Amino acid sequence: DTGVSQDPRHKITKRGQNVTFRCDPISEHNRLYWYRQTLGQGPEFLTYFQNEAQLEKSRLLSDRFSAERPKGSFSTLEIQRTEQGDSAMYLCASSSWVDTGELFFGEGSRLTVL
Amino acid sequence: GDSVTQMEGPVTLSEEAFLTINCTYTATGYPSLFWYVQYPGEGLQLLLKATKADDKGSNKGFEATYRKETTSFHLEKGSVQVSDSAVYFCALFDRGSTLGRLYFGRGTQLTVWP
Repeated sequence: DTGVSQDPRHKITKRGQNVTFRCDPISEHNRLYWYRQTLGQGPEFLTYFQNEAQLEKSRLLSDRFSAERPKGSFSTLEIQRTEQGDSAMYLCASSSWVDTGELFFGEGSRLTVL
Repeated sequence: GDSVTQMEGPVTLSEEAFLTINCTYTATGYPSLFWYVQYPGEGLQLLLKATKADDKGSNKGFEATYRKETTSFHLEKGSVQVSDSAVYFCALFDRGSTLGRLYFGRGTQLTVWP
């Protein structure tokens, strides 16, 4: 297994455009997380899936953000009508069914909104 | 609510110096505590963990002891190397909560000079 992979690694877009990020977790992991990291800050929780069910969403996840995990495997995070404040690193992580807090992170998708 | 407060950086040390990075936490339940590390150009990875009071986590020469009485989980290493240069994040997972999230500190940048 090659670990958690994210695509694209970098995305530059103009304000108002829509962007979508994809995450492929470790294959046997049924839990998947999205975090956001801005410069000089630690990762902040956005949302969490167990299999295909989205179990929790942070207040950081405004109506312009939507995440899916349709078949309980890969996940997508879409940001509609991007704003400059959305510029950040979007991190995906996965873990096994045992709820331990040990997450395996991808390298992240960096978004720059001009 | 749950939170983590981490020593601000950056920290700059010479090779073979002693390292301490302070971390304190606030939790409403029964937290597990972690140190994650982010090497340049790589994703976050788990460095060490402790699941209950007085547990000591250790890995790669790093250690941290879960101190419930002082709500602390300070990271230490006796002799740092240039290869330890990275950003270190203290994190908390509340096992008593139904929420599946990690709470991270802001991160401490460590630079080790030869």
